[in-house]
Amino acid sequence: EAQVTQNPRYLITVTGKKLTVTCSQNMNHEYMSWYRQDPGLGLRQIYYSMNVEVTDKGDVPEGYKVSRKEKRNFPLILESPSPNQTSLYFCASSPYQNQPQHFGDGTRLSIL
Amino acid sequence: SQQGEEDPQALSIQEGENATMNCSYKTSINNLQWYRQNSGRGLVHLILIRSNEREKHSGRLRVTLDTSKKSSSLLITASRAADTASYFCATVPTLDDKIIFGKGTRLHILP
Repeated sequence: EAQVTQNPRYLITVTGKKLTVTCSQNMNHEYMSWYRQDPGLGLRQIYYSMNVEVTDKGDVPEGYKVSRKEKRNFPLILESPSPNQTSLYFCASSPYQNQPQHFGDGTRLSIL
Repeated sequence: SQQGEEDPQALSIQEGENATMNCSYKTSINNLQWYRQNSGRGLVHLILIRSNEREKHSGRLRVTLDTSKKSSSLLITASRAADTASYFCATVPTLDDKIIFGKGTRLHILP
């Protein structure tokens, strides 16, 4: 089954404790992306990747890092999480940037 | 910077009525996509309209695109309770690799 898998689905942690949210897709897609969704602000793109070893900043990249060492995986790293990063995060992938995206089920992060 | 803005923010209609949502954007686009989200779940793609298309249909969905006004509309005909969800437009800019989502329209279908 074609899917985008995010882990964990839920996480409560404390300020400053490094965390990684994993994202994996099984569709051989080139384009992958991370978004955060906050009430009243819609989805905002954090980082995206056009292909392996090619990543670039979206609209809200501050406080986040990503890597794309393999085509299927695109982890989101919060080196020193802060409360303003409490949000619902989505990973998505598509064959190419201009094509419809497949979304994961989301990761709800709470940073205390 | 977000360039897709949906209107209205929220919409409640009776089952069976038609629902119309609008999206405005700021720069030239390659295509515009509409997505649906059920209550905090992942978004699901509904329909894509290219910049050289003016109208597209998919089942009960009708999408229009007016590039001169930089706007699009999504019409859901004969609404059903199961259509209750949030709807987002996403624009793929011509000169950028980003994808820009709007803030969404919350649609509530009343039984």
